Amino acid sequence: GDSVTQMEGPVTLSEEAFLTINCTYTATGYPSLFWYVQYPGEGLQLLLKATKADDKGSNKGFEATYRKETTSFHLEKGSVQVSDSAVYFCALRATSGTYKYIFGTGTRLKVLA
Amino acid sequence: NAGVTQTPKFRVLKTGQSMTLLCAQDMNHEYMYWYRQDPGMGLRLIHYSVGEGTTAKGEVPDGYNVSRLKKQNFLLGLESAAPSQTSVYFCASSYGTSGGTDTQYFGPGTRLTVL
Repeated sequence: GDSVTQMEGPVTLSEEAFLTINCTYTATGYPSLFWYVQYPGEGLQLLLKATKADDKGSNKGFEATYRKETTSFHLEKGSVQVSDSAVYFCALRATSGTYKYIFGTGTRLKVLA
Repeated sequence: NAGVTQTPKFRVLKTGQSMTLLCAQDMNHEYMYWYRQDPGMGLRLIHYSVGEGTTAKGEVPDGYNVSRLKKQNFLLGLESAAPSQTSVYFCASSYGTSGGTDTQYFGPGTRLTVL
């Protein structure tokens, strides 16, 4: 079945450091891919998405490129801030008639001043 | 717009008690979902609905029931709570567009503890 695997956390970085959070997926067909962010005490919010191969999603300085050849959707940011501290979830939604999303286990990011 | 709201925000139950969690959305979304979030396990789908009057089982449906009598509301029931149901519960909704481009919108969560 479909699945999403993301790197284990927590990830601890200093402010202005470069961030990469790895995400790989297994799915039939061509799923849409998402990154959601969860700030402390809140629900998940969509951060960015990509719907087809080679698409790049971007928002708030974060980027992720849909790589079908490596079945990956890694999240990157060039310079993190303390306010980026949160849990990040990679997710997919298949296009073959299912209405369900598959989420990764989440990666906690802590940015130190 | 309030978006997706959940009631209550916190609840403590004793084993065997029952309760209902309410999710409401004001975005005229067709699809609604209930997830539970447990440490190290991410989000797991409990039940979902693709329209008013419809429900379907997700990944972990046992011990839960749902109803979607009105389009804007999705109720999650626990008939006889167990300590294993201690979790944070999130409701989400989406338009249900085809082609996999649908985006889910999440509520703030309900933290449930079963003693």
